[in-house]
Amino acid sequence: DAGITQSPRHKVTETGTPVTLRCHQTENHRYMYWYRQDPGHGLRLIHYSYGVKDTDKGEVSDGYSVSRSKTEDFLLTLESATSSQTSVYFCAARGPDTEAFFGQGTRLTVV
Amino acid sequence: GIQVEQSPPDLILQEGANSTLRCNFSDSVNNLQWFHQNPWGQLINLFYIPSGTKQNGRLSATTVATERYSLLYISSSQTTDSGVYFCAFDDSGYALNFGKGTSLLVTP
Repeated sequence: DAGITQSPRHKVTETGTPVTLRCHQTENHRYMYWYRQDPGHGLRLIHYSYGVKDTDKGEVSDGYSVSRSKTEDFLLTLESATSSQTSVYFCAARGPDTEAFFGQGTRLTVV
Repeated sequence: GIQVEQSPPDLILQEGANSTLRCNFSDSVNNLQWFHQNPWGQLINLFYIPSGTKQNGRLSATTVATERYSLLYISSSQTTDSGVYFCAFDDSGYALNFGKGTSLLVTP
């Protein structure tokens, strides 16, 4: 896992509730990413960060927000969870011009 | 944005066979890398290969940046090679985007 930890690993939540997923890295990587993975869609980028307090949207950002107040932590928030956000979420991190490493994934179920 | 095509989408091999996976890009890309997702969902970086050729055991990768493609070679495949293989890239920004993957099944 190259020092990348996601929490929680599994979560079941109700429609309409806010949910926050955490990604923690110990390698001081500059860039961090959140993806979702659904059958038939591969890995789709939700949001990414290119530095503390510097974030940008990916291709599937609607309904999600992120925050990065320190280098090691990148938080993904579902403001009001919907069933369409049931998915497996992956966090990744890398430095400039280097390989990326992934966390173990978080399986989120919205009921 | 840059389009990426991974081929083949699915592949079934008998143990011991060789294979070549390919990523084609619609424009120049940076920071090309290959990942393997095992059947338990774990994503492992195989190669960081923006250009040239690298080898790691039975696996090797080649990126020809001027021709906008990258290849992943798997030789003497084993059942543990099963899973999904992804190429990933950025388009000179910070976003790291993924192809749709090649699903590989190696049978005994």
